[in-house]
Amino acid sequence: DIVMTQSPLSLPVTPGEPASISCRSSQSLLHSNGYIYLDWYLQKPGQSPQLLIYLGSYRASGVPDRFSGSVSGTDFTLKINRVEAEDVGVYYCMQSLQTRSFGGGTKVEIK
Amino acid sequence: QVQLQESGPGLVKPSETLSLTCTVSGGSISGHYWSWIRQPPGKGLEWIGYIYYTGITNYNPSLMSRLSISVDTVKNQFSLKLTSVTAADTAVYYCARVNRLLPILNYYYHAMDVWGQGTTVTVSS
Repeated sequence: DIVMTQSPLSLPVTPGEPASISCRSSQSLLHSNGYIYLDWYLQKPGQSPQLLIYLGSYRASGVPDRFSGSVSGTDFTLKINRVEAEDVGVYYCMQSLQTRSFGGGTKVEIK
Repeated sequence: QVQLQESGPGLVKPSETLSLTCTVSGGSISGHYWSWIRQPPGKGLEWIGYIYYTGITNYNPSLMSRLSISVDTVKNQFSLKLTSVTAADTAVYYCARVNRLLPILNYYYHAMDVWGQGTTVTVSS
């Protein structure tokens, strides 16, 4: 089974400042087709999760360009280049190479 | 646009079967994969499984022995059955569409792009 580990557990942020969330997989998520099978989801307070990033770095439809995803081996990073108040919530990474499994989540809150 | 709505009993007794249905509106269930995800109180997300509109399924190995997901293309619904439930199955259950997002070679990459609002299921006597 592929285990996904996120850090930090909680991330206080200042509006207008950048923020970064990390995720690590227990094994490579590189598919034989050359793509990284890693998605990012955001669950805003009281809402259902929403897709932000897929295949490691592709923004989903309607997602602001302040969100970006990057990959380095089995380490994945979600960056928000200028945090807005509406970005608070819990961010989850999820691997889709072997069935599916989520990371434990990172809670982003305003300082 | 496509909307999903979960429905089913909010309370299930231990050892009994949890049954939920997801109704798809604003689009056809045909041509897509559909997924179930759950979230225990105060905890993170757990992927349960998915089904293709033809009936092909893929389940979380940890739930496979108790799980069944089915689809009804006439009613535009898909369903989840989880047998022999315990308190550990108490959660908010979400259904989601697993949509084609990017063509890769001769297939597509899929991800969960539309989610239902979730339904709370409590397992208790």
